[in-house]
Amino acid sequence: EPEVTQTPSHQVTQMGQEVILRCVPISNHLYFYWYRQILGQKVEFLVSFYNNEISEKSEIFDDQFSVERPDGSNFTLKIRSTKLEDSAMYFCASRYIAGGPDTQYFGPGTRLTVL
Amino acid sequence: RKEVEQDPGPFNVPEGATVAFNCTYSNSASQSFFWYRQDCRKEPKLLMSVYSSGNEDGRFTAQLNRASQYISLLIRDSKLSDSATYLCVVSLGGGNKLTFGTGTQLKVEL
Repeated sequence: EPEVTQTPSHQVTQMGQEVILRCVPISNHLYFYWYRQILGQKVEFLVSFYNNEISEKSEIFDDQFSVERPDGSNFTLKIRSTKLEDSAMYFCASRYIAGGPDTQYFGPGTRLTVL
Repeated sequence: RKEVEQDPGPFNVPEGATVAFNCTYSNSASQSFFWYRQDCRKEPKLLMSVYSSGNEDGRFTAQLNRASQYISLLIRDSKLSDSATYLCVVSLGGGNKLTFGTGTQLKVEL
């Protein structure tokens, strides 16, 4: 069964450093998303991406964040200057657009720890 | 008012019990409704979509009441492996973002 993959599984970084989280969505999916979950809190939407542009973003997704689909398979989330409060699980998700249920499939996540 | 509200639990039940979770949502324009399951420190996994007519998948039954903006999940004959956090999730549909509740923790005990 096809699945969303994410690398790395755990990233430790110093405050102020840039990090890039990588995702490979399911191959025939066309909508891509990033969510995050701070430990003990709910899953929160960050950004959605369709047709090579951002379709929606949340208040969390400020100028420190960017997304990119550099090739036909990868989808990346960049945090330019990490803060302590960026420590969280970051989940990538993807969705196939044409018909069918409005279902998003999640990757296993990247645990980001900012020291 | 929270966008999606759930009782956080935990619900501690014996194996074989029937357990029900409830959820309310605030945006009446919501079109898609789901229950996801999340194991500790893992990704959310789709348990089932929820339809207006109600739907069943084995031991799991989901109901939606659009007028009351209320969603429910019933688990019959609970198993140890059902222990997880159950997330109520809504969306405006059409590829829009998912909005998650905080989740209800279920612990099934021997």
